[in-house]
Amino acid sequence: AQSVAQPEDQVNVAEGNPLTVKCTYSVSGNPYLFWYVQYPNRGLQFLLKYITGDNLVKGSYGFEAEFNKSQTSFHLKKPSALVSDSALYFCVMRGQLTFGSGTQLTVLP
Amino acid sequence: ETGVTQTPRHLVMGMTNKKSLKCEQHLGHNAMYWYKQSAKKPLELMFVYNFKEQTENNSVPSRFSPECPNSSHLFLHLHTLQPEDSALYLCASSPDKLAPNTIYFGEGSWLTVV
Repeated sequence: AQSVAQPEDQVNVAEGNPLTVKCTYSVSGNPYLFWYVQYPNRGLQFLLKYITGDNLVKGSYGFEAEFNKSQTSFHLKKPSALVSDSALYFCVMRGQLTFGSGTQLTVLP
Repeated sequence: ETGVTQTPRHLVMGMTNKKSLKCEQHLGHNAMYWYKQSAKKPLELMFVYNFKEQTENNSVPSRFSPECPNSSHLFLHLHTLQPEDSALYLCASSPDKLAPNTIYFGEGSWLTVV
């Protein structure tokens, strides 16, 4: 069975600080991993994905994610957080059409 | 703008009403989805259509009735709903259900059942 887990329901970070939203996965075979973001009162938006290739994936709005096979992780990162990054973030795996509860990121001014 | 359009954006209906939510995409996608998002709950997958055929119905009550007349349009017909059905209903599409494709979401329809 394949699955992803976001161990933190809530992440708070000060504006200007680096942010990390964690995701771990479990799969047999190659994982295809996605990050989506949902801003308040909006639908979900695609941020980035890992299929194959470079372990560091760059996405929209200055976000990036690092695929780490040994740690089975795909954490979302940004070097300097903005208040406007406050949103709900979802980590999803290929073929998984369910999104879980996500991680609520709050960037404090 | 993701290319997936949902109407209406807001809907208030009584428990005895019949209404419909509409979703439209012109991305050439073959898979379309309905999700329900309630406060403090995970996003719930309701229905999946692939090439106009319903491939998943996740134990959704019959008061929700989907319709997919073609690959570009998806409806959710609502009848005799309950207050607990109040939620954000999200439509989404992807090129194919099976491939590792990006899923594109609409902005959602906020439904309030009174």
